[in-house]
Amino acid sequence: GDSVTQMEGPVTLSEEAFLTINCTYTATGYPSLFWYVQYPGEGLQLLLKATKADDKGSNKGFEATYRKETTSFHLEKGSVQVSDSAVYFCALNRDDKIIFGKGTRLHILP
Amino acid sequence: GAVVSQHPSWVICKSGTSVKIECRSLDFQATTMFWYRQFPKQSLMLMATSNEGSKATYEQGVEKDKFLINHASLTLSTLTVTSAHPEDSSFYICSADKRGVLGEQYFGPGTRLTVT
Repeated sequence: GDSVTQMEGPVTLSEEAFLTINCTYTATGYPSLFWYVQYPGEGLQLLLKATKADDKGSNKGFEATYRKETTSFHLEKGSVQVSDSAVYFCALNRDDKIIFGKGTRLHILP
Repeated sequence: GAVVSQHPSWVICKSGTSVKIECRSLDFQATTMFWYRQFPKQSLMLMATSNEGSKATYEQGVEKDKFLINHASLTLSTLTVTSAHPEDSSFYICSADKRGVLGEQYFGPGTRLTVT
């Protein structure tokens, strides 16, 4: 069945460092792909999405490109901030059901 | 915006009792609501999908008689954990599918259930 695999954390970076969180998926066809973020004590929020191959989703300085040839949707940010500390979930949408990766906890040190 | 609330945010109950968790979409109508369970350091696992006015569709392995879902209106869904046991202790999260926005779900803040 469909699945999402993302790098295990926690990931610890210094402020202003470059961030990459890897995500690959297994699915038939071309599902929509998402990154969700869960800040401490809060619910999940949609960070960005891409609905077809080669689409780039972007929001708050984060970017991810839908790569069908490598079945990947890696999350990147050029310069992270302490406020980016959170858990990040890669996900895909299949028949209106969302399948999540296990999440990657990100710690940004000042 | 698209805000989803859950109540209560945390609850402690004794083994054998039932607990009801509410999920509301505050500023939009939800075609569908979803219930997830999240274990520590684990991903969200979909438990069931509910549409207003119809029976919920449960995922494989989820006991429908234990986790009762009612979706009485386009803005309210409830999850009742019946005869709760310590193994039911978990973080329960609901989400709502905004009508007309295919594929996006808006998540509540979650409810932490502890069964003693």
